[in-house]
Amino acid sequence: GQSLEQPSEVTAVEGAIVQINCTYQTSGFYGLSWYQQHDGGAPTFLSYNALDGLEETGRFSSFLSRSDSYGYLLLQELQMKDSASYFCAVRDTGRRALTFGSGTRLQVQP
Amino acid sequence: EAQVTQNPRYLITVTGKKLTVTCSQNMNHEYMSWYRQDPGLGLRQIYYSMNVEVTDKGDVPEGYKVSRKEKRNFPLILESPSPNQTSLYFCASSLSGRSGLRYSTDTQYFGPGTRLTVL
Repeated sequence: GQSLEQPSEVTAVEGAIVQINCTYQTSGFYGLSWYQQHDGGAPTFLSYNALDGLEETGRFSSFLSRSDSYGYLLLQELQMKDSASYFCAVRDTGRRALTFGSGTRLQVQP
Repeated sequence: EAQVTQNPRYLITVTGKKLTVTCSQNMNHEYMSWYRQDPGLGLRQIYYSMNVEVTDKGDVPEGYKVSRKEKRNFPLILESPSPNQTSLYFCASSLSGRSGLRYSTDTQYFGPGTRLTVL
């Protein structure tokens, strides 16, 4: 089986940097994905890490440490529009399914 | 425009009345999947399909059926809905190939969601 843990809620101010952590337990690990979901919207893909290290995509970066079964999403220069829920996910190779964490709700305040 | 569509977007029904939620994608994706989202539980997979006529159970398949007769469509069927199936449902699709360490299913494209209430 697979399980992921992430904080339920994070609050930060506009312009700041915030880190959303994700720890996972899997029977076989093949990569960590991050998705963003605005209230009332569909999840949208943000980033993916298969190897240790940092992947940067504009204001968003994602980090993975496979030895620690840990990853994080880093959001820089926070904007009000970044207020959303963020989910980490791992893939089950048999089903090609994504197993999602329960999500971190980010509130960006002025 | 590349997209995944679902219908209906909102549905209120009563226990036992069969219903179908449709899902269609125009990206020629092999892989399609249904998830349900409940507060505090994240997204859980109901069923998935690797290609036409190939479907299999996800984590929470009880009470649901699917079919994949065409590549673009993957309807979700609730034969006898019950109140515990009240939820937000998402259809997703992706390619099914692999490139190095990266599987295409790591990047899934989600439909807008269907909010179902079963009374």
